[in-house]
Amino acid sequence: DADVTQTPRNRITKTGKRIMLECSQTKGHDRMYWYRQDPGLGLQLIYYSFDVKDINKGEISDGYSVSRQAQAKFSLSLESAIPNQTALYFCATSDLPGGPDAGELFFGEGSRLTVL
Amino acid sequence: DQQVKQNSPSLSVQEGRISILNCDYTNSMFDYFLWYKKYPAEGPTFLISISSIKDKNEDGRFTVFLNKSAKHLSLHIVPSQPGDSAVYFCAAISGGTSGTYKYIFGTGTRLKVLA
Repeated sequence: DADVTQTPRNRITKTGKRIMLECSQTKGHDRMYWYRQDPGLGLQLIYYSFDVKDINKGEISDGYSVSRQAQAKFSLSLESAIPNQTALYFCATSDLPGGPDAGELFFGEGSRLTVL
Repeated sequence: DQQVKQNSPSLSVQEGRISILNCDYTNSMFDYFLWYKKYPAEGPTFLISISSIKDKNEDGRFTVFLNKSAKHLSLHIVPSQPGDSAVYFCAAISGGTSGTYKYIFGTGTRLKVLA
């Protein structure tokens, strides 16, 4: 089983609908992240959380919200989806960086969202 | 403003030869740099990292070089294998002194290793 699991893997929805992407992890990490990948733009940070009580906006948080239900669960919501939110979404986790190996991000397999 | 740039969107290399993937950055305060590899339909996976206080880190066929004066890092894969065909992302970590550790990714380079 994957250490970082995302559901759904694929979703097609219509403009104006509410969508939730869920992420769960078994790595025991405190830090969780949501990224969005668009062609030619790399991975852009939407939201991140360093523990259950800590939620922070990333570079492109407008139109998104998150919920950290537990250490292992971090959900991303699109309250009213629009076509330019069509993208590949990744959840990731990390431990506190330190030492010669800076905190490695562990990614889920991605959720492909299409907004018509 | 793109703080981490990968100017080559794609690269083709013959099997057995060296693959060199490049990355430029603008922020001299980055603490660490990482390379990730991504296959289709999978999430990115960590490949190798380097601290800003070093200029080279090697792990098997993969070596990362950091040139701080040029704000440039490169990933060398020797010898290249068909299984190395993937998209490679360069990433930088900032905010170490504050503990925030934000990861900033480049746009990726698609490597194709030809058999």
